[in-house]
Amino acid sequence: AQRVTQPEKLLSVFKGAPVELKCNYSYSGSPELFWYVQYSRQRLQLLLRHISRESIKGFTADLNKGETSFHLKKPFAQEEDSAMYYCALYTGGFKTIFGAGTRLFVKA
Amino acid sequence: GAGVSQSPSNKVTEKGKDVELRCDPISGHTALYWYRQSLGQGLEFLIYFQGNSAPDKSGLPSDRFSAERTGGSVSTLTIQRTQQEDSAVYLCASSLRATNEKLFFGSGTQLSVL
Repeated sequence: AQRVTQPEKLLSVFKGAPVELKCNYSYSGSPELFWYVQYSRQRLQLLLRHISRESIKGFTADLNKGETSFHLKKPFAQEEDSAMYYCALYTGGFKTIFGAGTRLFVKA
Repeated sequence: GAGVSQSPSNKVTEKGKDVELRCDPISGHTALYWYRQSLGQGLEFLIYFQGNSAPDKSGLPSDRFSAERTGGSVSTLTIQRTQQEDSAVYLCASSLRATNEKLFFGSGTQLSVL
């Protein structure tokens, strides 16, 4: 079955600390993975996608096919990173499925 | 338009009534998606439209839910005989093509069924 799992509903870290938001997926094909972010009172928007191998706002994510993971990382969290983060899997057939989301809270 | 537009932004209805939610995608985007966002449930895929092709309705939770897209642009999601468990934020998204393109989301309709 196709599935995206984000095990943490809430993650709280101090400003300047490293942060890792976990994402695991289940998919038999070749995965295309994304992270979307929703800041307070803003729309859900794309943060990054694995095929681009980019770093956005200091965040990176590496696809690990062996562990079926796509964890989102940032070495030094900032208060403005506080938001809801969703991991998403494009399954082909034009469908993108999302995890349950992790709320990141960065404390001053 | 500047982005995906959804209306109304908030809808309060009584159990058993029908509701219609509207989505106006970004001009030129051929793919349109409806998702449901519930607390703790993440984003649940409901339905997908691509151009004039038959929609993928595989995510609709029951036959009370239906959607149409007129002229390859505006879409309406209809929920008949609403139930309290239908209360959620309904999000619409569009993308330029129906591949692994970036999704652009609207700000959603908060539906509350009393």
